[in-house]
Amino acid sequence: QVQLQESGPGPVKPSETLSLTCSVSGGSISSNYWGWIRQPPGKELEWIGYIYHSGSTSYNPSLKSRATISIDTSKNQFSLKLTSVTAADSAVYYCARLDAMGYYFDRWGQGTLVTVSS
Amino acid sequence: QSALTQPASVSGSPGQSITISCTGTSSDVGSYNLVSWYQQHPGKAPELMIYEASKRPSGVSNRFSGSKSGNTASLTISGLQAEDEADYYCCSYAGSSTVVFGGGTKVTVL
Repeated sequence: QVQLQESGPGPVKPSETLSLTCSVSGGSISSNYWGWIRQPPGKELEWIGYIYHSGSTSYNPSLKSRATISIDTSKNQFSLKLTSVTAADSAVYYCARLDAMGYYFDRWGQGTLVTVSS
Repeated sequence: QSALTQPASVSGSPGQSITISCTGTSSDVGSYNLVSWYQQHPGKAPELMIYEASKRPSGVSNRFSGSKSGNTASLTISGLQAEDEADYYCCSYAGSSTVVFGGGTKVTVL
């Protein structure tokens, strides 16, 4: 059974870049699509973007090009970078597997809380 | 790309049925049968309950069912149980390889 685990360096300062990695186990990353979703404390889910193993990507237009998702098939990992962060980017960040035929997320990581604070 | 509209809260007594609505537009829910529903307990990751508007993943109770009419999708929970108390989110394909989530609905079992 495919499992996902997010990891990151911890708190981020305003205007800096948030970097997270999702490690996939129990299956190859070289199939399916892989996405990032975030949830500010007490608020709703927000889709950030997704990537295919070929490297093709799609992003939420609301993030205005601040987000970049990349993939490393040799490590079975994919990553998120979000530039110029503000307090509004503080959230639990989830990585998930996306079924690209039905556009649904069928496997999720446990999530990691990222706080943006000076 | 605007969030799909869900009621903030829905409640019901054990054994009853409740329905959560998810209203979008002709650009998302209305144009595709690509609506999914997720259950999220406090402090936990979301879990897929319904996909492609009405299909249930293996392992999900048949008390959960989904439907869609026009720009509105719905999730019905029948035989409500205490363990169903959670937040529920809808999600739809929105064209141009994008997806959009709803604002979430808190289900309370009275």
